[in-house]
Amino acid sequence: DSGVTQTPKHLITATGQRVTLRCSPRSGDLSVYWYQQSLDQGLQFLIQYYNGEERAKGNILERFSAQQFPDLHSELNLSSLELGDSALYFCASSVSVGETEAFFGQGTRLTVV
Amino acid sequence: AQSVTQLDSQVPVFEEAPVELRCNYSSSVSVYLFWYVQYPNQGLQLLLKYLSGSTLVKGINGFEAEFNKSQTSFHLRKPSVHISDTAEYFCAVSLLSSGNTPLVFGKGTRLSVIA
Repeated sequence: DSGVTQTPKHLITATGQRVTLRCSPRSGDLSVYWYQQSLDQGLQFLIQYYNGEERAKGNILERFSAQQFPDLHSELNLSSLELGDSALYFCASSVSVGETEAFFGQGTRLTVV
Repeated sequence: AQSVTQLDSQVPVFEEAPVELRCNYSSSVSVYLFWYVQYPNQGLQLLLKYLSGSTLVKGINGFEAEFNKSQTSFHLRKPSVHISDTAEYFCAVSLLSSGNTPLVFGKGTRLSVIA
């Protein structure tokens, strides 16, 4: 158990809908990262937050947004969903911004039908 | 920008045989290097990391990796694999800096250990 908790584990939704994925980082970790894993693209970095502030942005679509709350949990919001958004979404956390080691949650598998 | 190439998408190997999973990276600045493992229906777990110092790094489950700066490689090795090593293995880099350094992953290598 990495200590990073993601909910829900599975999500099935229709095209055009909006979903929210939740991540609770390890106790004491200030930095949260979101990654998307798909068969064709592999593991793609989406966005990073540190202590409530956005710190880095990767290949995140404009339809996607995220935030980190004062209690350090984070949410990834995916809207106007398309079939191609079906993927495994991982959250990872680390102690500081300099990521010498990131701990990953078990992921949320999103299926868009 | 940095990138990671895992040269083999699939590696089948017999139980108790040695294995090497290859990883090359590209970066204009110094990097940290990592290997992660993903078991079926699981998240990623850190196997080992290279930050500095000795270029031979030992990790969990009997794995080790060697950092070769001149060849920009960080190959993962295990002298004798077990069935339980069947999983997806990811090589990753992050920039050696004090700023924002999210991990950049390779496409992964699926290791299949055959009894």
